[in-house]
Amino acid sequence: EDKVVQSPLSLVVHEGDTVTLNCSYEVTNFRSLLWYKQEKKAPTFLFMLTSSGIEKKSGRLSSILDKKELFSILNITATQTGDSAIYLCAVTYTGTASKLTFGTGTRLQVML
Amino acid sequence: ETGVTQTPRHLVMGMTNKKSLKCEQHLGHNAMYWYKQSAKKPLELMFVYNFKEQTENNSVPSRFSPECPNSSHLFLHLHTLQPEDSALYLCASSQYHPPGGQYFGPGTRLTVL
Repeated sequence: EDKVVQSPLSLVVHEGDTVTLNCSYEVTNFRSLLWYKQEKKAPTFLFMLTSSGIEKKSGRLSSILDKKELFSILNITATQTGDSAIYLCAVTYTGTASKLTFGTGTRLQVML
Repeated sequence: ETGVTQTPRHLVMGMTNKKSLKCEQHLGHNAMYWYKQSAKKPLELMFVYNFKEQTENNSVPSRFSPECPNSSHLFLHLHTLQPEDSALYLCASSQYHPPGGQYFGPGTRLTVL
């Protein structure tokens, strides 16, 4: 059975801290790993990672994939209260372009 | 309007009712999806449509019936639901080939009494 596991399940930090969120996976026919941020309702797309070792960066967020060890990390530097959300990772598959399997998410709370 | 829209945003229905959820995407994508999000569970993929053709049905009970009249519109018809079907139902769209990130609508919060 395919598995996508995120850790920690929840995290409370103070503004200005740096956080690292983890996503590990065990799937057959892996194609790519996606990160989403979910605040009140709809997840918003952050990154798609296909190749190992290539960092994707957007402002204070960055992410990298390790296809050998089967995990990805999402880093957020200089956290702000607006970063408070659930961060979801998901994997896609070769041969089935449309299917995603999501992890349960990491709930991040950034305190003043 | 831009992005992915869903209506209604909230829905309360009895177990004997019939209702429909609507999704519309304005992104020029050719694939659309229905997901169910229950408390403390991962997002569950329900249905996938690629160019209006259903390509995935993840063992969803027949009381959920999808309809995709064109690449921009997706419906989820509901009938004789159970209280455990109460959840947030999210619609998403993407390019099917090459596969890209899925963009989500705001969701419909469904409560079944």
